[in-house]
Amino acid sequence: AQRVTQPEKLLSVFKGAPVELKCNYSYSGSPELFWYVQYSRQRLQLLLRHISRESIKGFTADLNKGETSFHLKKPFAQEEDSAMYYCALSGRGGSRLTFGEGTQLTVNP
Amino acid sequence: EAGVVQSPRYKIIEKKQPVAFWCNPISGHNTLYWYRQNLGQGPELLIRYENEEAVDDSQLPKDRFSAERLKGVDSTLKIQPAELGDSAVYLCASSLSSVDYGYTFGSGTRLTVV
Repeated sequence: AQRVTQPEKLLSVFKGAPVELKCNYSYSGSPELFWYVQYSRQRLQLLLRHISRESIKGFTADLNKGETSFHLKKPFAQEEDSAMYYCALSGRGGSRLTFGEGTQLTVNP
Repeated sequence: EAGVVQSPRYKIIEKKQPVAFWCNPISGHNTLYWYRQNLGQGPELLIRYENEEAVDDSQLPKDRFSAERLKGVDSTLKIQPAELGDSAVYLCASSLSSVDYGYTFGSGTRLTVV
């Protein structure tokens, strides 16, 4: 079974502060991990995936297989980062995408 | 490019009534997904189509839910009869293939059962 846990429902930081959204997963094989974001009144959209090793909008996420984590980080949060963030997991080769419950990030001015 | 189009955006029905949701995926996307998102939860997969074939419907409550994707393009998700617990946002997504995780989600249909 595959499971994604986002321990924080709500996270509030000030503009310019570092931010880390936590994600832990459970999966018996080699997972593929993703972060999705949903801005207010917008559609759910892919932010980044671990296989790409890319930085999107200043966000990065490193897959730590030892700790089964895929935390999302940004060194300096911006007000426009305020949104709902979902961590998601899938097995390799195409299978269902399992989402966490989401973390609502609020960046205060 | 209109993206993934869903209709209606909102639907309020009384329990025991039927309801249907429609999804038009991005042109050329072979894989189509229906997800359900309950309040305060992440989306959960209901069914996945590869062209016309439902390849993963293990999470679909088949006693009241049904779906179809005729001609491998548009898809319809139906609930009959609806129950109070079916109130949720129903999301449709599409991708080029099942190994392409560049899902594009629609805006969703918010269903309220009263």
